[in-house]
Amino acid sequence: AQKITQTQPGMFVQEKEAVTLDCTYDTSDQSYGLFWYKQPSSGEMIFLIYQGSYDEQNATEGRYSLNFQKARKSANLVISASQLGDSAMYFCAMREGRAGGTSYGKLTFGQGTILTVHP
Amino acid sequence: ETGVTQTPRHLVMGMTNKKSLKCEQHLGHNAMYWYKQSAKKPLELMFVYNFKEQTENNSVPSRFSPECPNSSHLFLHLHTLQPEDSALYLCASSQDGGGVRYNSPLHFGNGTRLTVT
Repeated sequence: AQKITQTQPGMFVQEKEAVTLDCTYDTSDQSYGLFWYKQPSSGEMIFLIYQGSYDEQNATEGRYSLNFQKARKSANLVISASQLGDSAMYFCAMREGRAGGTSYGKLTFGQGTILTVHP
Repeated sequence: ETGVTQTPRHLVMGMTNKKSLKCEQHLGHNAMYWYKQSAKKPLELMFVYNFKEQTENNSVPSRFSPECPNSSHLFLHLHTLQPEDSALYLCASSQDGGGVRYNSPLHFGNGTRLTVT
């Protein structure tokens, strides 16, 4: 079974508008971390934002916020005031925390969503 | 220099060649990783090193041979590769504290784009 699912292969947004990129995850661990990364065409994987499973508040980092709904196992990324430079591939990823588990510590990625920002 | 640096950025090699990819991290992290990113596939974890010790080998063929001489440097030695090994190879590092690993992000380099002819 897929641990991280990103159902949107591609998304389009107008410059200065907000966009939400979807991510659902699957784990039986109580302790886990959720991450979003941005990958421009240059190839570098840029860390954007982190949400811990025990965090009660949604994470925010500048124009990025994470809409964390634990019961639904979703961790959607919201980008506000989109800029042309936001055009890139975006990956949702998870690290599970149960020591001794086969996925312990591994960062597992979803398939990614290509975001295109139109002027 | 800060962050994670990978060299070379691009590499073209024949199937009989031997080459090495280099990764260096300047973040003081204790864990380093190799990931493979092929077209239309999720990133695949290849190897994990923690304090220079290999802790994960994700069923990677022996034509890929990692080396971690210290916590700051990681190499991937390549020999007799196949065309399907053409991909973007990403190195990453993280600071993992004790038994808690889920809350530290991995920091990635720019990657090496490998083409096997």
